[in-house]
Amino acid sequence: QKEVEQDPGPLSVPEGAIVSLNCTYSNSAFQYFMWYRQYSRKGPELLMYTYSSGNKEDGRFTAQVDKSSKYISLFIRDSQPSDSATYLCAMSYHSGGYQKVTFGTGTKLQVIP
Amino acid sequence: GAGVSQSPSNKVTEKGKDVELRCDPISGHTALYWYRQRLGQGLEFLIYFQGNSAPDKSGLPSDRFSAERTGESVSTLTIQRTQQEDSAVYLCASSHVGNEQFFGPGTRLTVL
Repeated sequence: QKEVEQDPGPLSVPEGAIVSLNCTYSNSAFQYFMWYRQYSRKGPELLMYTYSSGNKEDGRFTAQVDKSSKYISLFIRDSQPSDSATYLCAMSYHSGGYQKVTFGTGTKLQVIP
Repeated sequence: GAGVSQSPSNKVTEKGKDVELRCDPISGHTALYWYRQRLGQGLEFLIYFQGNSAPDKSGLPSDRFSAERTGESVSTLTIQRTQQEDSAVYLCASSHVGNEQFFGPGTRLTVL
């Protein structure tokens, strides 16, 4: 079993839809939870960073963490064509003095105008 | 200032040749990471540098892979005797310790 599971998609939605992206994990040592967005032929960029269970909102994006279920989500409201990208979940814990990060495989999202 | 830069952006090589990939981190970032991203896969950790400490090489897949970093500056990832399964995007990231990782655009390596 992989430490982090993420549905690769692709996920295709109409403009304006609410998008839900999810990851599950098995390692209870994970303390920090992140979502990265990666456009084609670009490096990933950090979208959201959370530490505790609960919700964190930033504009049209909401990150949700449920540590008891080992499940995290990213919601995108009023999705736009510019949101079309691959979304990677990532989780980390302190190990050997640094943050050891494990990434999901990424979900490819296409928002259709 | 500038973000993380990587060169070359694309590299095509023949099986058995050696390749060297370069990463210029953000100035002042003490931590530097190398990852490999195969098509349709997540990011696979390769190696981590922190200042002058011994690097964490636990992710390097074989002894054909090696990396160097001088102080807190440029890093090079070397792959010797390349194989077709080495074809991937190699991503470099830098950060202040414990903080957000900033990624470069990657080097797309194709081994024929």
